[in-house]
This record gives sequence, structure tokens and C-alpha cells, in this order.
Amino acid sequence: AQTIHQWPVAEIKAVGSPLSLGCTIKGKSSPNLYWYWQATGGTLQQLFYSITVGQVESVVQLNLSASRPKDDQFILSTEKLLLSHSGFYLCAWSPSGTSNTGQLYFGEGSKLTVL
Amino acid sequence: QQKVQQSPESLIVPEGGMASLNCTSSDRNVDYFWWYRQHSGKSPKMLMSIFSNGEKEEGRFTVHLNKASLHTSLHIRDSQPSDSALYLCAASGGSNAKLTFGKGTKLSVKS
Repeated sequence: AQTIHQWPVAEIKAVGSPLSLGCTIKGKSSPNLYWYWQATGGTLQQLFYSITVGQVESVVQLNLSASRPKDDQFILSTEKLLLSHSGFYLCAWSPSGTSNTGQLYFGEGSKLTVL
Repeated sequence: QQKVQQSPESLIVPEGGMASLNCTSSDRNVDYFWWYRQHSGKSPKMLMSIFSNGEKEEGRFTVHLNKASLHTSLHIRDSQPSDSALYLCAASGGSNAKLTFGKGTKLSVKS
């Protein structure tokens, strides 16, 4: 069975400090990977997606970056946090073969509070 | 830019009642609709998907799709307090690979 693990579960960070969030997918070879962001009470917004190792596509510009250093790992980061970065970050995977699929499996999320 | 509109924003139904949620896309290229459920503080979980005109039933949940109007609806019969959650509709299709989510309908089932 496939499992997806996100870390950390929650972070409280200062404005201007760096951030790194990660997720690991086990039990699935070459999945499509996604980062989503959800502001409190807000819509799920896709940030990045990756179809293969080393390749990441940016969907929106939020002063964030993403990398896929391994087939099963997806990292979201920034060097300087803004207040607007607060929210719920979700990593998700979908079966490979097409990037046009809504069959997403989400991790448990990372709650970020920027003060 | 494709938009997915959901209504109502919030809904209160009594335990055992029927909940009906609506979703419409503004993009004529949309082919696929998904419904996700997100309990408070948790991540979304896919409930059902529909690609063809008509109806699809899974247990207490029924999804309808009218492709001509790009409208889908989710109906939950015999609603339970555990069904209280944010219900998200998502759509994709055509050359746009990005899945677009609506803002959701917050369902509260009162016992």
C-alpha cells in the first residue's frame, strides 16, 4: 500500500526566516507529485507539480520554490518567509502516466504560522 | 482562467436528512469532476469522481453530472454527524492539466 508522509506537522516561524517542508511517498514508483496551499478558510491552490525526478513546474508565484531530489521525495522551501505564507501546505501524489488527473492522494499536511 | 463555483457556501441538515451540494465549471473544456471531503484540520480525501453524463451511486453518496451545463451535484442521504466537513469540488480537462478546486461547501449535520 502507498503511504505519504509529510514533515513537519506544524511550524511557527518568524517573518524573514527560511522554511523547508517535505514529503515522502512510499510504495509507488514514479508518481506525479504536487504541492498545494490552503489559507485558513480559503481555496486549495496548486503551487507546484512534478512528473519526474529533477523536474518541477511552478503553477503560481508565491516566493516559494520546490525540488524533487529523489523519485519519492518532494521539498518546498523559501529563504524568506512572508506573513502571507501562513496556511496549510499539502503534498499529494497521483498515478503516473498523465498530469491531467484529479485522483489525488494527500498527505496529512503541514500547518505553517508566520509571525 | 477556469473557475469552479460551489453552492451553497454552507449547509445545515438534520441527522438522517438529505444534503445536496452543487458545483459548476466555467470552462467548456472540462472533462472530469471530482468530489473531495475535508474534515476540520485534516487533509482532503477523494469521495467520488464522474466523467460521464448521468448518475453514479456509492452507498449513501450519489453524484450527478450534466456535461452540457458543466454542472455536477453531490447528494448525501441519511446524513450523519461524521459527514460534517468541507466538501470540495474539482475539475480538469482539455489542454489545461491543472486541477482547479472550488471554495467548498461547509456541511454541518446536527443531531
